[in-house]
Amino acid sequence: EIVLTQSPGTLSLSPGERATLSCRASQSVSSSYLAWYQQKPGQAPRLLLYGASSRATGIPDRFSGSGSGTDFTLTISRLEPEDFAVYYCQQYGSSPATFGQGTKVEIK
Amino acid sequence: EVQLLESGGGLVQPGGSLRLSCAASGFTFSSYAMSWVRQAPGKGLVWVSTISGSGGDTYYADSVKGRFTISRDNPKNTLYLQMNSLGAEDTALYYCAKSPNYQRTPYYFDYWGQGTLVTVSS
Repeated sequence: EIVLTQSPGTLSLSPGERATLSCRASQSVSSSYLAWYQQKPGQAPRLLLYGASSRATGIPDRFSGSGSGTDFTLTISRLEPEDFAVYYCQQYGSSPATFGQGTKVEIK
Repeated sequence: EVQLLESGGGLVQPGGSLRLSCAASGFTFSSYAMSWVRQAPGKGLVWVSTISGSGGDTYYADSVKGRFTISRDNPKNTLYLQMNSLGAEDTALYYCAKSPNYQRTPYYFDYWGQGTLVTVSS
């Protein structure tokens, strides 16, 4: 199965700053079948991006995704107070679907 | 508005069984594949099982194959997960999740329920 490694484990930033989160796959993710989710404490995950760079319905354009093959990036251009959360990547190009271990974006 | 409401979680002894349900509304249930994803306390997300829109195709993670059974009742808009031979490693919050497609798996999940907690302990 494809192992996804997210880095860093924790990102300490201030509101208004830019956040760059990495997701690296142990083998190539076919057709850029990679999604990103946001999870806040006590809440279910929320889909942010799919197909590596397509925003889900209602997701603000400060969230963007890029990458292909084995290296993918989620960028939050300017952090809003509600963006502090844990972010997971997920590949769905190969069975089984797998998730990264998560990156926590915390307030500095 | 898409809503997914899980139920059926609770405390069960090792070796026991539990049946989870997920009541869906706000979309044409039979048109979409549905899945269960679990999250152990303080841990990350792990895919458990997926069922196609018709219910004719099912898929399982190796860790649950032979112990868990996914099913759906399309007229009742309900997804199920029958869990047998439970062990401590199955302790987790179980999420019901919808995919934006009928059959292809794996896929991503566009809507999630709030989860139901399963605790396996003596």
